[in-house]
This record gives sequence, structure tokens and C-alpha cells, in this order.
Amino acid sequence: DSGVTQTPKHLITATGQRVTLRCSPRSGDLSVYWYQQSLDQGLQFLIQYYNGEERAKGNILERFSAQQFPDLHSELNLSSLELGDSALYFCASGGASGGEWADTQYFGPGTRLTVL
Amino acid sequence: DAKTTQPPSMDCAEGRAANLPCNHSTISGNEYVYWYRQIHSQGPQYIIHGLKNNETNEMASLIITEDRKSSTLILPHATLRDTAVYYCIVRVALSRYGNKLVFGAGTILRVKS
Repeated sequence: DSGVTQTPKHLITATGQRVTLRCSPRSGDLSVYWYQQSLDQGLQFLIQYYNGEERAKGNILERFSAQQFPDLHSELNLSSLELGDSALYFCASGGASGGEWADTQYFGPGTRLTVL
Repeated sequence: DAKTTQPPSMDCAEGRAANLPCNHSTISGNEYVYWYRQIHSQGPQYIIHGLKNNETNEMASLIITEDRKSSTLILPHATLRDTAVYYCIVRVALSRYGNKLVFGAGTILRVKS
């Protein structure tokens, strides 16, 4: 158990819909990272927040957005869903030391999103 | 982004050492090498990381060549539970406090009894 929690574990929805994935980091961690794992693309970095602020951005679609709240939990919002958005979405946390170059990332169990 | 190259699959006998190689010839001087593994569709599990020196923890050892262009992860006594996809990753710094892990295809390690 990494100490990172993600909800829900599974999500089934229809095309065009909007969903929200939630992540709670390990106690003391300041950074939250979001990754997408699909069969054809592998694990891809989406976005990182550090202490409430966006710090790094990857290949995140404009239909996707994220935020980190004052209690440090994070939400990933996916809208206008397409079949191709079906994937595992992982959250990771790190940065407990507060150092400039963030610590090791610890991954949560993931949310499996299925778009029908 | 610094790219890593790993063999697609490897087999190892239970109880023997598993040596997983990785090439990262374009790594920059301040970029760390990380190893994670993923069992089925679970979240990637951190194993070990290093910059220049060899590292050892309770799970594994990491041997980094002097030129830093390649590394080897060693699982000293592999068990069936070590069967997983192993990812060799270079952590990329993007900004102050900002970084990302760039995953490749990984190596499927099969431990056989």
C-alpha cells in the first residue's frame, strides 16, 4: 500500500459525458501527478500540481483539467468523453521533503475508466 | 526527453538473481534513473533510483555505469511474486518543483519455478 488513495476504482460512462477522478496524496506529500495508461500509448504523464499550483504539464488534452485543493487532494476532470479516453488513470504523490527537485513518486491503485 | 531502451522480455529461475539492463545514452548530468514495476494493472511500484553511484535497498540493487549511459537492476533472489513489467525511467526536471517520469515499454520479467 503506497498510501495514495484514488476514487472511484471503476467508472463506466457514455461518450460525451463528464467525470471527476479523485486522488488523496500520502500524508506530508505536496505534489500530485496524474498519468494515463492506455493499451496503445502506455503510461503518459498528464499534469503535476505542487502545493496547489500547476508545476508541470504533459500531453493533457484541453478537454481534461485538474486542480489541487488546500487540503492537497486533487481532482482530474474529464469532459466530452470519447471512446479513446478509456484507460487507467493513475495519481502519484511526492515532494514531502519540499526540496526543489521533487522526491520519489508513489502511485495510487488507479481508476479504470470505460467509455461506452 | 531522455529515452530508455530495455529488452521486451526476460525469464528468470526462481531463487536466482534477475539482472535487468537499461540503456539511457542521452541522459543529462542531473537526471536520475528510476526503476518501477507494475504487476498486472496495479499502480506502478517504486523500486529504487540513483544518479551516479550504485544503490541498494531492501528490494534491489542498482548498478550505474561510470558514463551513466546504462544501468542494471538486480533482484538478488527472484520469487514468483516478482513477475511484473519493470520500467527503467529517467526523471525529467521541467521547472522548479516540476518534474515528470517518462515511461517506456518496459521489460516483462517472468520468474519461473
